[in-house]
Amino acid sequence: DIQMTQSPSTLSASVGDRVTITCRASQSISSWLAWYQQKPGKAPKLLIYDASSLESGVPSRFSGSGSGTEFTLTISSLQPDDFATYYCQQYNSYGTFGQGTKVEIK
Amino acid sequence: QVTLKESGPVLVKPTETLTLTCTVSGFSLSNARMGVSWIRQPPGKALEWLAHIFSNDEKSYSTSLKSRLTISKDTSKSQVVLTMTNMDPVDTATYYCARNRDGYNYKFDYWGQGTLVTVSS
Repeated sequence: DIQMTQSPSTLSASVGDRVTITCRASQSISSWLAWYQQKPGKAPKLLIYDASSLESGVPSRFSGSGSGTEFTLTISSLQPDDFATYYCQQYNSYGTFGQGTKVEIK
Repeated sequence: QVTLKESGPVLVKPTETLTLTCTVSGFSLSNARMGVSWIRQPPGKALEWLAHIFSNDEKSYSTSLKSRLTISKDTSKSQVVLTMTNMDPVDTATYYCARNRDGYNYKFDYWGQGTLVTVSS
């Protein structure tokens, strides 16, 4: 099975900061990667798919990059609504999620 | 608009079988490339993909839970059903159903609100 590892587990940042989250796959997954945002008590929301494609309606401050085994999610200027937990998910083989990265207020 | 809604018991006893239903609207379960997955999340923990059913009725399962899971659908009722046998307290979680719009590429664009299932005697 493909394992997904995110870093860091927790990230403290301020409004306006540039934030980067990394996701590594245990084997190559090409560009078959999605990123989700989840807020407490809510279902996840799709942000990025195919590693770098922005889902419709998602603000352009979110971007994704990478291929193979290493991927990043970048928030160019952190907004108050962005404090949440972020998950990567591979879909090269079924659908494994990473363990999550919590973005909290510094 | 597209919606998914999970329903089922809130409490099950250890060793019992869990049956959850996902009722969808705004799309058809027979649409090509559409599928529905079940995903769970224990309290305070990460998401875990469980099972998927395609429009052509093809199914896939988590390797670690395959022996305990069965997914099925009733297109006429717009429902997807997940059964999980031999429930254990570690199976306590919020269970989500989610739509995949792209065939074998499991990217989930719409999710249900989730239903919390507690396993306890």
